[in-house]
Amino acid sequence: AQTVTQSQPEMSVQEAETVTLSCTYDTSESDYYLFWYKQPPSRQMILVIRQEAYKQQNATENRFSVNFQKAAKSFSLKISDSQLGDAAMYFCAYRNTGNQFYFGTGTSLTVIP
Amino acid sequence: DTGVSQNPRHKITKRGQNVTFRCDPISEHNRLYWYRQTLGQGPEFLTYFQNEAQLEKSRLLSDRFSAERPKGSFSTLEIQRTEQGDSAMYLCASSTRGRVRRQKDTQYFGPGTRLTVL
Repeated sequence: AQTVTQSQPEMSVQEAETVTLSCTYDTSESDYYLFWYKQPPSRQMILVIRQEAYKQQNATENRFSVNFQKAAKSFSLKISDSQLGDAAMYFCAYRNTGNQFYFGTGTSLTVIP
Repeated sequence: DTGVSQNPRHKITKRGQNVTFRCDPISEHNRLYWYRQTLGQGPEFLTYFQNEAQLEKSRLLSDRFSAERPKGSFSTLEIQRTEQGDSAMYLCASSTRGRVRRQKDTQYFGPGTRLTVL
């Protein structure tokens, strides 16, 4: 069974600084997708970034980038130049070949002005 | 199309009552997912449809839960004889195998239905 682990329940970062959120996963599959989702308080979940496992190049989306280490089954999210609007719960998610998604328990990010 | 919508947004019911939630996915998204999310946790997969076919169902889903997607468009999730442990946010998401790379196989979530069972 696939599991997703986020070992940091809470993180904080100073505005304009950089923060990295950790995620590890367990799978025996070779073809899968990984995602980071953001869930602001009382608002719906939105996609931050996605990574296809067959791609060696790390995905980037503006200030968001990932460090995908397939052998280590690690998928961390780096947020550069943090902004107040980045404050949210961040979920790491894994999608298997059967189109099932597994989510971690989340990391609550606080941005300090 | 503005995204995935869910109704109602909030539902308060008494234990033992039946409730039904509706999800309208993004147009032309052939895949639809239901999740349950409790406070401080990530979404837990409940069930998944491809078009009108229910392809996967979590073992977490008891016999009191049933979901349908009769015409491959909107979906309903019904909980019979609700229990206090059913109180949670119920999320719906949709995805597509379309040709737009950024959208392909990516889930788009609705705002959720918050269920409170008294």
